[in-house]
Amino acid sequence: RKEVEQDPGPFNVPEGATVAFNCTYSNSASQSFFWYRQDCRKEPKLLMSVYSSGNEDGRFTAQLNRASQYISLLIRDSKLSDSATYLCVVSPSILTGGGNKLTFGTGTQLKVEL
Amino acid sequence: EAGVTQFPSHSVIEKGQTVTLRCDPISGHDNLYWYRRVMGKEIKFLLHFVKESKQDESGMPNNRFLAERTGGTYSTLKVQPAELEDSGVYFCASSLLAGSSYNEQFFGPGTRLTVL
Repeated sequence: RKEVEQDPGPFNVPEGATVAFNCTYSNSASQSFFWYRQDCRKEPKLLMSVYSSGNEDGRFTAQLNRASQYISLLIRDSKLSDSATYLCVVSPSILTGGGNKLTFGTGTQLKVEL
Repeated sequence: EAGVTQFPSHSVIEKGQTVTLRCDPISGHDNLYWYRRVMGKEIKFLLHFVKESKQDESGMPNNRFLAERTGGTYSTLKVQPAELEDSGVYFCASSLLAGSSYNEQFFGPGTRLTVL
């Protein structure tokens, strides 16, 4: 079983749609949670961190359910520029200045169409 | 400010040859990580340097892989001898070593390695 499981998609949605991605993680000791975005043949870039209380950044909302070991990302009013692969990422390390080893899901591909 | 840079961007070698990948982290970043994505699989952690010291090398696949970070600045990852299954994209990332909050890892553009 993979440590981080995601539906690979692709999710094809029209511009303006709301789309939700989910992922589950198996290591209950995971302490930090993130969504990264990766454009085709580019490097991953941090989209947002995910907190138990939920957090929002513009059109993006992330949620964490520690009991179910489940993370979600909601994108509202999808734009063409949102087309990318969204990577669910967890880290087992406690938030310190010592650095965190990241564990990635395979990613969910989103295609926003006109 | 310059981001993480990696060299080369692409490398095509034959099985049994040696390849050395280089990563230059963001200036001032003491944490340096190597990750790898094999086709069709997720990005996987290889190892982590704090300055010049190996903090965690649990992800290194075998002893054909050797990573160094002499002087705590740039890092090299050498594969010797290369095997077909080593093909993939090798990413380097760096982050600050300070404070108690999460320090974002910034990724380089990757080196695409093809072993024939």
